[in-house]
Amino acid sequence: DIQMTQSPSTLSVSVGDRVTITCRASQSISSWLAWYQQKPGKAPNLLIYQASSLETGVPSRFSGSGSGTEFSLTISSLQPDDFATYYCQQYNSYPLTFGGGTKVEIK
Amino acid sequence: QVQLQESGPGLVKPSETLSLICTVSSGSIRGYYYWSWIRQPPGKELEWIGYSYYSGTVNYNPSLKSRVTISVDPSKSQFSLQLSSVIAADTAVYYCARRSPKENYFDFWGQGILVTVSS
Repeated sequence: DIQMTQSPSTLSVSVGDRVTITCRASQSISSWLAWYQQKPGKAPNLLIYQASSLETGVPSRFSGSGSGTEFSLTISSLQPDDFATYYCQQYNSYPLTFGGGTKVEIK
Repeated sequence: QVQLQESGPGLVKPSETLSLICTVSSGSIRGYYYWSWIRQPPGKELEWIGYSYYSGTVNYNPSLKSRVTISVDPSKSQFSLQLSSVIAADTAVYYCARRSPKENYFDFWGQGILVTVSS
């Protein structure tokens, strides 16, 4: 199985901050990576697919980059609605696997 | 846009079979989609369980394959999950989700249902 490792596990930030979350794959997954946002008690919501493609309706302050084994999700200017947990998911090979999550909390 | 809703018992006894249904509305269950189940144990990461095409083609996580059955009933616009011989470690929030028609990510999710395995 491909292991997905996210860092940091928790991020304490303020509204307006630029935020970067990293996801590392245990082997190359090309660009087959998605990012999701999850709020407490809610289902995950797709933000990014194919490493850098923004899902329809997702604000442009979210962006994704990377390929191979190193990926990042950036929020250019954090808004109050963005405090949540973020997960990466690889879909290069089966079984599909997710990272452990990064919680973005208020400083 | 498509909506998904999980239903089923919230408590299952050890060694029994967990059975959940996902109802799909505002969209067709037929077409270029795979219908999926994903779970999240309390405080842990998401785990892909598997998915099924409406015609019956399936793909399961090898770690659960011997205990899992996912099937689609197009006539009811529903798909289901059965997980046999459950243990406490199967306690989780179970989500149904639609796999994107393009690639293996998930573009629509249900709200999730907590299933506790306990006697």
